[in-house]
Amino acid sequence: GEDVEQSLFLSVREGDSSVINCTYTDSSSTYLYWYKQEPGAGLQLLTYIFSNMDMKQDQRLTVLLNKKDKHLSLRIADTQTGDSAIYFCLLGGGNTGKLIFGQGTTLQVKP
Amino acid sequence: DTGVSQDPRHKITKRGQNVTFRCDPISEHNRLYWYRQTLGQGPEFLTYFQNEAQLEKSRLLSDRFSAERPKGSFSTLEIQRTEQGDSAMYLCASTDRVNTEAFFGQGTRLTVV
Repeated sequence: GEDVEQSLFLSVREGDSSVINCTYTDSSSTYLYWYKQEPGAGLQLLTYIFSNMDMKQDQRLTVLLNKKDKHLSLRIADTQTGDSAIYFCLLGGGNTGKLIFGQGTTLQVKP
Repeated sequence: DTGVSQDPRHKITKRGQNVTFRCDPISEHNRLYWYRQTLGQGPEFLTYFQNEAQLEKSRLLSDRFSAERPKGSFSTLEIQRTEQGDSAMYLCASTDRVNTEAFFGQGTRLTVV
C-alpha cells in the first residue's frame, strides 16, 4: 500500500534554515503538498508542487522533489519562532485517488 | 464559496450515543475525504467519495462508522454507539478530480465522555 514517512522531530535555532523531509512509495502521486498545523489549530496549506517539477520557491519556502528517490523536502529559510508547528507532507493524485499524509514533523525553533 | 465547512465544530456526547457530522465541500469539487486526527498524531484516512460513490473505506473504520454523500454534494459521517476511543478531531477535505489543491475544513472535535 501507499506509505509516506517523515522524521518526527527537528530543532533549529532562530535564523537558521530548516529542512523537513518526506519519503513516499507511491510513484504515481502527482500533487505533493506541505501543510502546517499549530497547536489546537487546523491544517494550513503552505505550498504544493506538481510531479513534473523539481523545485518550487515561494518566499522563504523552497520545495524540492526527487522523483527517482521518491523524496520531497521543505526548506524554510531564516526560520522564526512563529514557524514552530507540526509540518505534514500530503500526497495526492495517485492511482488510488487517496490523499495520504505523513506522520508529521514537529519543528521546534529556539530563540 | 467560503471553503469547506464542517458542522458542528465541537460535539460532546455520552458513551453509547450516536453522533452525525456534516461536511459541505467546495461546490465544484467532486472528491470528498474524511480523516480522523488524535492528539499528537497525523490525520488518518477514513474514507473518500468521488461524487456520490464511496470509493474506499479504511480498515480503521469499524462497522459502527458509516459515511454517505447522497447527491454528490455534502457528506455525513455517522458513528453509532460511540466509545471513548472515538474521541478525536474529524476532518473533511475536498478536491477536484485531479487533486490540484486539497482544501480542509476546520474539523469537528468529538469528545466521548
